[in-house]
Amino acid sequence: AQSVTQLDSHVSVSEGTPVLLRCNYSSSYSPSLFWYVQHPNKGLQLLLKYTSAATLVKGINGFEAEFKKSETSFHLTKPSAHMSDAAEYFCVVGSHGGGADGLTFGKGTHLIIQP
Amino acid sequence: DGGITQSPKYLFRKEGQNVTLSCEQNLNHDAMYWYRQDPGQGLRLIYYSQIVNDFQKGDIAEGYSVSREKKESFPLTVTSAQKNPTAFYLCASSVRDRVGEQYFGPGTRLTVT
Repeated sequence: AQSVTQLDSHVSVSEGTPVLLRCNYSSSYSPSLFWYVQHPNKGLQLLLKYTSAATLVKGINGFEAEFKKSETSFHLTKPSAHMSDAAEYFCVVGSHGGGADGLTFGKGTHLIIQP
Repeated sequence: DGGITQSPKYLFRKEGQNVTLSCEQNLNHDAMYWYRQDPGQGLRLIYYSQIVNDFQKGDIAEGYSVSREKKESFPLTVTSAQKNPTAFYLCASSVRDRVGEQYFGPGTRLTVT
């Protein structure tokens, strides 16, 4: 069994300040973890993935995430927010070798960027 | 340009009517997926297909049907048996053994009144 919890439904930051979106997971197996971004009325786009290689993962648009097994966390960060980062972000957990029904999506975090 | 197309972007239907949502991909991916997205709910898997002429139910398949006659196409029919069909529907595809790395279409917003 697995689950994923995004700890904040909304996060608001000022442009140019750091972004932190929190994600905790639970999994019976060694998990694969992903972050996706969704701009309004659009499909989702993969930001980055963790699949048991380096624990610090770099993604597109300056985002990165760190896998911390001891804390069962996979928080998404960015040093400096841009207005274009305003979107919904989803943390996703999957089991290694699992099928599509092995993916679990978080409920999403809405990131608001203040000018 | 490679990608996934969904049509139409907005769809309106009367209660009791079946409606089919289109999904086409030219990424040469074996696997395709349908999700439903409701506000504050994240994504829920309706059906998925890993190969032509084969598909499996996801978490919320009741009231929906699919077909996979061609690699490029994976249409979803929302039947009158679906109790709450109004939602945003997303189609995705992936390489078969990279399930977590999915490419998504732009979505279809279905409103049933």
